[in-house]
Amino acid sequence: QQQVKQSPQSLIVQKGGISIINCAYENTAFDYFPWYQQFPGKGPALLIAIRPDVSEKKEGRFTISFNKSAKQFSLHIMDSQPGDSATYFCAASTRGSTLGRLYFGRGTQLTVWP
Amino acid sequence: DTGVSQDPRHKITKRGQNVTFRCDPISEHNRLYWYRQTLGQGPEFLTYFQNEAQLEKSRLLSDRFSAERPKGSFSTLEIQRTEQGDSAMYLCASSPGTGGGYTFGSGTRLTVV
Repeated sequence: QQQVKQSPQSLIVQKGGISIINCAYENTAFDYFPWYQQFPGKGPALLIAIRPDVSEKKEGRFTISFNKSAKQFSLHIMDSQPGDSATYFCAASTRGSTLGRLYFGRGTQLTVWP
Repeated sequence: DTGVSQDPRHKITKRGQNVTFRCDPISEHNRLYWYRQTLGQGPEFLTYFQNEAQLEKSRLLSDRFSAERPKGSFSTLEIQRTEQGDSAMYLCASSPGTGGGYTFGSGTRLTVV
């Protein structure tokens, strides 16, 4: 079954707007939640990540909000730009373990209109 | 070091043929991962190495799949007797230690005809 559920599947935002992508998980052992950005023909690239002891992390225009009790986390892209048009994946892992495998959501295709 | 390198970038093969992909991780990274990504889906874990030891294999990795990392540096993923369902992007990633912070390569796109 899908360990990390991501929505929406696609998102269209006007330039300058806020893009919001949501993810939910069930496994309470997850303790590391990264977001990846993927452009066509490229591998995913780490964008920003958060651990559950923090409720929010901001890096530039990208913010992760984390709700541990609800087992949900979201990516906010402020002042969205056409160059942000890509597929975004949330993921989760048990970082404290020696394994480190990531469980990915199904992705959100973001289109930012100029 | 320019990142994770994968070769070839594209591979078209006939059903039933064997294929082998290569991954060169970032040199100081001791962890290496293989993932498979199909269109419209997130990457799915296949297998993972720490140095030369293969520590975990997904159920997705059938007996037609084998991965090696003989000297703890580059890795190869071989698929024997390819099937059309094997058509996907095969991604390699490496990381320096526990948990995430992966760096992915650009992948090898396999098409089985």
